[in-house]
Amino acid sequence: GENVEQHPSTLSVQEGDSAVIKCTYSDSASNYFPWYKQELGKGPQLIIDIRSNVGEKKDQRIAVTLNKTAKHFSLHITETQPEDSAVYFCAANQAGTALIFGKGTTLSVSS
Amino acid sequence: NAGVTQTPKFRILKIGQSMTLQCTQDMNHNYMYWYRQDPGMGLKLIYYSVGAGITDKGEVPNGYNVSRSTTEDFPLRLELAAPSQTSVYFCASSYDRNSNQPQHFGDGTRLSIL
Repeated sequence: GENVEQHPSTLSVQEGDSAVIKCTYSDSASNYFPWYKQELGKGPQLIIDIRSNVGEKKDQRIAVTLNKTAKHFSLHITETQPEDSAVYFCAANQAGTALIFGKGTTLSVSS
Repeated sequence: NAGVTQTPKFRILKIGQSMTLQCTQDMNHNYMYWYRQDPGMGLKLIYYSVGAGITDKGEVPNGYNVSRSTTEDFPLRLELAAPSQTSVYFCASSYDRNSNQPQHFGDGTRLSIL
């Protein structure tokens, strides 16, 4: 079955810096890669997703890149702000199968 | 728009007690899911449902039961609570799974078993 590894587990940056979180997956059949943001006391919220027919997707300060050959995908946050502080989860699956989550990255943005 | 609503938000149980975690969604989603989240471990799928009357096991189903009598509701039942079931439980829903529609999560139920 699918296995998703996420790194780093914690990340501290200064406000305005960029943050990058990386995930690798094991099943080459996986074709959907969402990223979730979880704030304290809340449930995960989808912030961006990418499908395997696309190499990169951007939404304002957030971007995700996918390398199918190497089986890894990354979340890039530019111009970080204190409100970006949260736990971020990557996930992967193929249609009709369970979404498999990474273990999460705690991002801290200090002002 | 309520989205996915979970109740209760917090609960403390004694070992051996039973309880039902409630989940309801108002988005007319066919698929519903229950996850547990343990510190540093991400989310693990307990059970899921593809529609009313249909449920199936996920990765960690032992000690839990579910039912799906309506499209909106997907309760999770703990029959004999054990300390290993101390966790945060999240319910989620999606329109379908076959086209990888995004999952929408509730805000969780924090359960402690002492």
